[in-house]
Amino acid sequence: QSVLTQPPSVSAAPGQKVTISCSGSSSNVGNNYVSWYQQFPGKAPKLLIYDNNKRPSRIPDRFSGSKSGTSATLGITGLQTGDEADYYCGTWDSTLRAGVFGGGTKLTVL
Amino acid sequence: QLQLQESGPGLVKPSETLSLTCSVSGGSISNTNYYWGWIRQPPGKGLEWIGNIYYSGSTFYCPSLKSRVTISIDTSKNQFSLRLTSVTAADTAVYYCARRSYNSGDFHYWGQGTLVTVSS
Repeated sequence: QSVLTQPPSVSAAPGQKVTISCSGSSSNVGNNYVSWYQQFPGKAPKLLIYDNNKRPSRIPDRFSGSKSGTSATLGITGLQTGDEADYYCGTWDSTLRAGVFGGGTKLTVL
Repeated sequence: QLQLQESGPGLVKPSETLSLTCSVSGGSISNTNYYWGWIRQPPGKGLEWIGNIYYSGSTFYCPSLKSRVTISIDTSKNQFSLRLTSVTAADTAVYYCARRSYNSGDFHYWGQGTLVTVSS
């Protein structure tokens, strides 16, 4: 069982918006930066969001991140079929002194 | 452009030791702004953080693996390595090496990953 909790799956139609939640505690999400990763089958994860809400230069602004208290959220607008992938949140846990990931969320674009 | 490449045996027998090396190119492994980490992903499952190492050799390990894991670094070769002892079938996974930002903790650059199967 993952330290960070994500919904197993989310779905939405092309062009719509979807959000993926990542719930943790004060020892991880609440007091450390959250990052988000996109992973296609058979490929390495790719960084989408870092420092809670910053995007690497190559990531389109359709992807956004936010954090409130012990929960973080990834938002994707203007959904495309090419966005179908698994999405993971990650952060540091100050009590465990360990990196932690969410269990992952499979996005389906209907 | 920073690149990371994992290398090592793809098949390890139960109870033996898994050894992987990550070769870094396009940047120095001695850069003080980064840690270097290992993450694994069992088939069909999520990501599991294994541990990080700093250029100085200081390490952090996943608590559940700590008794079996050693991560080391060779700055002269721009490489870092993973050793996991007493492996079982549960250690079968794709193993990734990655660069972790020192301050914010994100893994910005990843290797392509290497599948390690534990089987006799």
